[in-house]
Amino acid sequence: NAGVTQTPKFRVLKTGQSMTLLCAQDMNHEYMYWYRQDPGMGLRLIHYSVGEGTTAKGEVPDGYNVSRLKKQNFLLGLESAAPSQTSVYFCASSTQGVRDIQYFGAGTRLSVL
Amino acid sequence: AQSVTQLGSHVSVSEGALVLLRCNYSSSVPPYLFWYVQYPNQGLQLLLKYTSAATLVKGINGFEAEFKKSETSFHLTKPSAHMSDAAEYFCAVSDRNQFYFGTGTSLTVIP
Repeated sequence: NAGVTQTPKFRVLKTGQSMTLLCAQDMNHEYMYWYRQDPGMGLRLIHYSVGEGTTAKGEVPDGYNVSRLKKQNFLLGLESAAPSQTSVYFCASSTQGVRDIQYFGAGTRLSVL
Repeated sequence: AQSVTQLGSHVSVSEGALVLLRCNYSSSVPPYLFWYVQYPNQGLQLLLKYTSAATLVKGINGFEAEFKKSETSFHLTKPSAHMSDAAEYFCAVSDRNQFYFGTGTSLTVIP
């Protein structure tokens, strides 16, 4: 079982560059989430989706955009990367939202220079 | 918005000793509560979940947590620490469609 797969695993960007992080899940989950993890701050929700074609803002959405064109994929975009976006990004999915277990990917380490 | 407080960013215990990781949440309504574990360079994995069926929740790897509404706490315990328990532990609370994570507690097990 692949579960939740994130690509790429590592990336280095220069300030102002753009990139897209891909999250794919093969569990037919309705809900998908993007988090960032920073030292001493735990995980903070960036954006989430409650189903195909839907997206919503989380706790720290500024500087990010997302799309959920297919149920199994959730894309996180950085249009103009900033050093403050250096972080580890995690994608997660679940079947029933807040009542349910989240399944996490292995993470993407992003450095913005 | 909900908030989660984990007291102690680093906890060290001897192998075989009791593990106690503290979590307090802010909510006037009993929320959904979770404990997750993160091993180095990996994503988070669920340890246990509070479902309101019982105040004492048993999870994987011998961990359990007790929901105390009067104290708004959901502390994680394990009677006897094992070297393999060394990891980062996160308490989380959910509200509407969002999850709120604590800042994490790094557990070190001393042989």
